[in-house]
Amino acid sequence: EAGVAQSPRYKIIEKRQSVAFWCNPISGHATLYWYQQILGQGPKLLIQFQNNGVVDDSQLPKDRFSAERLKGVDSTLKIQPAKLEDSAVYLCASSPQPWTGNGYTFGSGTRLTVV
Amino acid sequence: SQQGEEDPQALSIQEGENATMNCSYKTSINNLQWYRQNSGRGLVHLILIRSNEREKHSGRLRVTLDTSKKSSSLLITASRAADTASYFCATGSQGGKLIFGQGTELSVKP
Repeated sequence: EAGVAQSPRYKIIEKRQSVAFWCNPISGHATLYWYQQILGQGPKLLIQFQNNGVVDDSQLPKDRFSAERLKGVDSTLKIQPAKLEDSAVYLCASSPQPWTGNGYTFGSGTRLTVV
Repeated sequence: SQQGEEDPQALSIQEGENATMNCSYKTSINNLQWYRQNSGRGLVHLILIRSNEREKHSGRLRVTLDTSKKSSSLLITASRAADTASYFCATGSQGGKLIFGQGTELSVKP
């Protein structure tokens, strides 16, 4: 089966600009996650979707970050305006619902550099 | 927020030796998972242990879980240079939320 697809692979923007990341999960996976991984740290959950509904967005900085999954398939994460501290790798993951008891599948991530 | 802490933060061993990484967490869990991450790449799932299990094996990997101490360990036996990577534990909740630790950076020297 195809894996989780993410694009772009890399992005460099200036602070205060906006940026969007795209994720296409594994076909049929109802649950989709966005994580932020700052260099040298573990991934931090930003938002969890089940189909097109938000399950958990408690860690999402809603003043500048937004995410949507309109048709319950692919998802977009947006930052507007970006700050220097947003420099990180943004990882998308998916899992089936109900959960089969296996690990989650992660995409390769988008590395964002804010200058 | 990060759920757990991993120990050590960095580990350097020779090829053929065993590598042990520890993970402690704070809240009750449904399962605990271990992932591997090569530099600049995505996370790869290695092994999952449920909260009612105490030990699990997969190839050269052995995971233990002690829910009374809220801790887990990952043992990689007969390490290879290709095992060089960062290893993360992640706790899974009933709702599917996965929370990661800070990771252990493993270096295996040939």
